[in-house]
Amino acid sequence: GESVGLHLPTLSVQEGDNSIINCAYSNSASDYFIWYKQESGKGPQFIIDIRSNMDKRQGQRVTVLLNKTVKHLSLQIAATQPGDSAVYFCAENVGNRDDKIIFGKGTRLHILP
Amino acid sequence: EPEVTQTPSHQVTQMGQEVILRCVPISNHLYFYWYRQILGQKVEFLVSFYNNEISEKSEIFDDQFSVERPDGSNFTLKIRSTKLEDSAMYFCASVSGQSYGYTFGSGTRLTVV
Repeated sequence: GESVGLHLPTLSVQEGDNSIINCAYSNSASDYFIWYKQESGKGPQFIIDIRSNMDKRQGQRVTVLLNKTVKHLSLQIAATQPGDSAVYFCAENVGNRDDKIIFGKGTRLHILP
Repeated sequence: EPEVTQTPSHQVTQMGQEVILRCVPISNHLYFYWYRQILGQKVEFLVSFYNNEISEKSEIFDDQFSVERPDGSNFTLKIRSTKLEDSAMYFCASVSGQSYGYTFGSGTRLTVV
């Protein structure tokens, strides 16, 4: 069935350190994955995405890794800043660009001063 | 950068009352969605809408819910007779259909008392 889950509900990281947020998915048919950041009182904000034909994609300070063998997705944030404090959701899309996306439960990232 | 706009940002309503949540999607987008997020939980799909009709809906989207695109710019979610458990953040999103990636609005916080 469709389900996306996260390994840790809360992660605390020292400012300036790197952080890794993990996500497991169960639908092997999923072919598009997205990481969203949600700040308090705001809607999900797109961070980075990856198609199933790739295993790594880099953005500005963020990297997404996809391991299809074990159905695992991770978000790496380099040199964390206070503004990175938020809840991070992974999400998956099974079909077409316009199909619904399924969200995981979210990991709260705390950046410690 | 184009935005999805939602109004109101917060709505308080009495149980049993009807509410209409409003959204203005990005102007050249073709696919529209409503998601909801109960406090502290993950974002859940409600309904997708394309070409003036519902393309998919979840189990949550029962007969009390309806969506409409009354003109070329607005997209509304109506809850006919609100229940306490309808209290949540409701997010509107849109997709162009030519590229991946949803754009979410900032949400409407619905509180049913």
